[in-house]
Amino acid sequence: GENVEQHPSTLSVQEGDSAVIKCTYSDSASNYFPWYKQELGKRPQLIIDIRSNVGEKKDQRIAVTLNKTAKHFSLHITETQPEDSAVYFCAASLSGGYNKLIFGAGTRLAVHP
Amino acid sequence: NAGVTQTPKFQVLKTGQSMTLQCAQDMNHEYMSWYRQDPGMGLRLIHYSVGAGITDQGEVPNGYNVSRSTTEDFPLRLLSAAPSQTSVYFCASSYGPPGNTEAFFGQGTRLTVV
Repeated sequence: GENVEQHPSTLSVQEGDSAVIKCTYSDSASNYFPWYKQELGKRPQLIIDIRSNVGEKKDQRIAVTLNKTAKHFSLHITETQPEDSAVYFCAASLSGGYNKLIFGAGTRLAVHP
Repeated sequence: NAGVTQTPKFQVLKTGQSMTLQCAQDMNHEYMSWYRQDPGMGLRLIHYSVGAGITDQGEVPNGYNVSRSTTEDFPLRLLSAAPSQTSVYFCASSYGPPGNTEAFFGQGTRLTVV
């Protein structure tokens, strides 16, 4: 079946450094790629998304890039802060029917002061 | 505006017991989904609904039932709990299909089956 692979599973950075999380997807018809952030004990919340007609999208310290040819997309966080510590999930849409999302396994980011 | 509300937050069941996880949203969203979250496996879709009276199966539907009698409510029923159903369960709703629009999640239900 279709899947989304996410790497790394854990990431530890110093405050102020950049963090990059990468995902690859298998459904060539995927056209929507959201990123969700889940703080400890909280619900997942959307932080940024990108559609297949765009190669890059930026929102303050967060950016997402998409390479449709290679079927991978990445989350970039610059000038990391301790409040960026969380689990980040990438997801890709599945073509057809309900237009579901399939999620990656998650990346636990720890930002150390 | 409460968003998506799930109850209970925590639950312990014995193997073989049944229970219903409640989910309600006040955003008038047509699309609702149930996911389970297990370590190292992300969020996996259990069941979903595209409107009142319409439900269908996701990736991991076995052992679960759903119904959607109103736009607001989407309960998830565990028929006969098994230890493999120990997980954190999230309900989500969205204005459009989750593969195209932002999904809003409830706060989750942590279920332990002993």
